[in-house]
Amino acid sequence: DQQVKQNSPSLSVQEGRISILNCDYTNSMFDYFLWYKKYPAEGPTFLISISSIKDKNEDGRFTVFLNKSAKHLSLHIVPSQPGDSAVYFCAASAYSASSNYKLTFGKGTLLTVNP
Amino acid sequence: NAGVMQNPRHLVRRRGQEARLRCSPMKGHSHVYWYRQLPEEGLKFMVYLQKENIIDESGMPKERFSAEFPKEGPSILRIQQVVRGDSAAYFCASSQLGKGGAEAFFGQGTRLTVV
Repeated sequence: DQQVKQNSPSLSVQEGRISILNCDYTNSMFDYFLWYKKYPAEGPTFLISISSIKDKNEDGRFTVFLNKSAKHLSLHIVPSQPGDSAVYFCAASAYSASSNYKLTFGKGTLLTVNP
Repeated sequence: NAGVMQNPRHLVRRRGQEARLRCSPMKGHSHVYWYRQLPEEGLKFMVYLQKENIIDESGMPKERFSAEFPKEGPSILRIQQVVRGDSAAYFCASSQLGKGGAEAFFGQGTRLTVV
């Protein structure tokens, strides 16, 4: 029972274009959502997060959108750069319900940005 | 990322041996999480510890696995009598709660191979 789903295992975009990574969740108790970037043989690196009280959060080239009614969030990267090529994980936390920031991860999407 | 130190980076054990994985959290962080990543999967929560306390071990197998975070020294994840199915990447994350976010900082992981 996957509570966080990333249905696209991979995505390929051209340098300078927009990358859109999608994530769906099923647990309505989730109230905090994060995106992590991971290179091979390294640990995940925090990118950006969003609380369930917001529908958008922006940080430089990265924007996360949250649609609570659809239980869907997306990460937009504009403009995409070759250095963005990595696996991107969507993660969620149900802090208000458990007072615990443990994260539930999706399986990841491999983004390849072509020069 | 570099602030959370895990060692060893790679560990090879024969079936039936014990594996000990160490994690030193970032300075000032008193909350430690362990996650396991199987091939082609996302990270799965195992255990959440604060200094000298196990807060949530709901993701940890009931047998052969244990974790501790002593008052002094690193957090240890211990796997007794390892089996081939324990082969995975084990990631530790630390956080400093109360800063308004769930941004956990991950170490580079320990890749356990059971032969």
